[in-house]
Amino acid sequence: GDSVTQMEGPVTLSEEAFLTINCTYTATGYPSLFWYVQYPGEGLQLLLKATKADDKGSNKGFEATYRKETTSFHLEKGSVQVSDSAVYFCALSVAGAQKLVFGQGTRLTINP
Amino acid sequence: NAGVTQTPKFQVLKTGQSMTLQCAQDMNHEYMSWYRQDPGMGLRLIHYSVGAGITDQGEVPNGYNVSRSTTEDFPLRLLSAAPSQTSVYFCASSYYGAEGNEQFFGPGTRLTVL
Repeated sequence: GDSVTQMEGPVTLSEEAFLTINCTYTATGYPSLFWYVQYPGEGLQLLLKATKADDKGSNKGFEATYRKETTSFHLEKGSVQVSDSAVYFCALSVAGAQKLVFGQGTRLTINP
Repeated sequence: NAGVTQTPKFQVLKTGQSMTLQCAQDMNHEYMSWYRQDPGMGLRLIHYSVGAGITDQGEVPNGYNVSRSTTEDFPLRLLSAAPSQTSVYFCASSYYGAEGNEQFFGPGTRLTVL
């Protein structure tokens, strides 16, 4: 079945460090890929998405590229801020299926 | 637009009690879903609906019932709560033709079953 595997957390970085959170997937067909973010005490917000191979999603300084050859969608940011502290979820959706399959989430803490 | 709203925000139940988690959306979305979030397991789909009068089971449906009598509302019922249902519950909605089937989430309901 369809599945998403994320980098184990928690991840702790200093402000202005480079961030990578790994995400790989298994899916039938050609999924769309998402990163959602959950700030403390809040619901999930869409951070970025990519709907086909080689697409790059970007938002708020975060980027992720849909790599079909490696079935990956790694999240990157060049210089993190304290305000980026949150839980990040990688997810996929298969065409025709109105549902998301999530990874286990990665808790990120940024120290000043 | 208020988007997706959920009530209550917090709830404590005793084993065996019943309750309904409310979810509503004002975006006229056709699709609505319920997920539960457990530590280390991400979000898992409980039930979903592709339109009024149509529901289907997700990955973890046991112990939960749903119905969809209107486009706007999609309540989740726990008939006899169990400690294993302690979790954070998220409702989500989407619309036909949404790019990549993107879903919009409510703020969540934190449920504790004692």
